[in-house]
Amino acid sequence: EAQVTQNPRYLITVTGKKLTVTCSQNMNHEYMSWYRQDPGLGLRQIYYSMNVEVTDKGDVPEGYKVSRKEKRNFPLILESPSPNQTSLYFCASRDRGEVHEQFFGPGTRLTVL
Amino acid sequence: AQSVTQPDIHITVSEGASLELRCNYSYGATPYLFWYVQSPGQGLQLLLKYFSGDTLVQGIKGFEAEFKRSQSSFNLRKPSVHWSDAAEYFCAVRDYKLSFGAGTTVTVRA
Repeated sequence: EAQVTQNPRYLITVTGKKLTVTCSQNMNHEYMSWYRQDPGLGLRQIYYSMNVEVTDKGDVPEGYKVSRKEKRNFPLILESPSPNQTSLYFCASRDRGEVHEQFFGPGTRLTVL
Repeated sequence: AQSVTQPDIHITVSEGASLELRCNYSYGATPYLFWYVQSPGQGLQLLLKYFSGDTLVQGIKGFEAEFKRSQSSFNLRKPSVHWSDAAEYFCAVRDYKLSFGAGTTVTVRA
């Protein structure tokens, strides 16, 4: 089954404790991205990657890092989480080209205390 | 820069009644437009998309949307709402990235 998976689905952590949210897709997509969803703000892009070893900032990159060492994986790293990073996070992927739809993962609910 | 506005934060509709969700976009060229639905506690599901051609597009779950270039709008409609349509709906526009509106929450009353 074609899908985007994220782990963990739920995470409660404390300020300053480094964490990684994994994202993996099995569709051989070149383009992957991370979004955060906050009430009243919709989804905002954090980082995106056009291909392996190619990443770039989205609209709200501060406090986040990403890496793209393999085509299928695109982890989101919070080196020193803060409470304002409490949010719902979505990973997404799509094939190269304008007409391809974006597939979303199930989301990761992160709470930073 | 591209942007999307969903003017209605919350809409309440009776089951069986029609539904229309508004979406206005700002984008210089021909836009690629999308509507997604997010049921409570779930991820995002694509309802429909517009890339070119016929300005009235049909989607899943009985939804349709009409692209009106003159009004920079891409409104979503459903003729008869079911209780399972209660969800949050997001309009999005894409060039190299997907930009979302703030969302409209739909409540369905019996």
